[in-house]
Amino acid sequence: KAGVTQTPRYLIKTRGQQVTLSCSPISGHRSVSWYQQTPGQGLQFLFEYFSETQRNKGNFPGRFSGRQFSNSRSEMNVSTLELGDSALYLCASSPARNRISGANVLTFGAGSRLTVL
Amino acid sequence: QKEVEQNSGPLSVPEGAIASLNCTYSDRGSQSFFWYRQYSGKSPELIMFIYSNGDKEDGRFTAQLNKASQYVSLLIRDSQPSDSATYLCAVNSSGTASKLTFGTGTRLQVTL
Repeated sequence: KAGVTQTPRYLIKTRGQQVTLSCSPISGHRSVSWYQQTPGQGLQFLFEYFSETQRNKGNFPGRFSGRQFSNSRSEMNVSTLELGDSALYLCASSPARNRISGANVLTFGAGSRLTVL
Repeated sequence: QKEVEQNSGPLSVPEGAIASLNCTYSDRGSQSFFWYRQYSGKSPELIMFIYSNGDKEDGRFTAQLNKASQYVSLLIRDSQPSDSATYLCAVNSSGTASKLTFGTGTRLQVTL
């Protein structure tokens, strides 16, 4: 069973540019979440999509946006890049909430490492 | 106060010993608790999750949850050098089941 696939794995951009990252979830998983990981802040939640709808959003500026397609694949976009946007962007998919615990168990992709110069 | 707090470490334990990793959280409504392991340069991988008070064992790993004290821990028995990694505690808060709040992680070093 293929895991979560993220592309591109590495990219370098300059300030002011925009970037689009792609995520293909595990087959059958309908929920896709995005996280930003930096050395100082750790893993921070960006947003989550389920059935093409944004179900939850973290505390990030509007420059960060995302969408999900009918095949559950997801993209996130960052516009007007800033130096502080340099980070590892992780996508995670999950099948559904565990019926007993309510837990949303995430499986992460390898990440897209963005460097902003 | 951070929502999920972990000691950054490094926590150094000799091979074969028990490693004890701790995590506290601030949201009393938190429902599910996760431990992820992250090797340097890699993405987090799930070790286990727990949602009821008490202990949950999976092989060499035991998660312990105390909701009254807002405390969750991970014990690793018979620690191996391959266990050397950063361990991330994550909490699934009430009302936002799709969002996990992560601690900044504890770096574990298992020495020979």
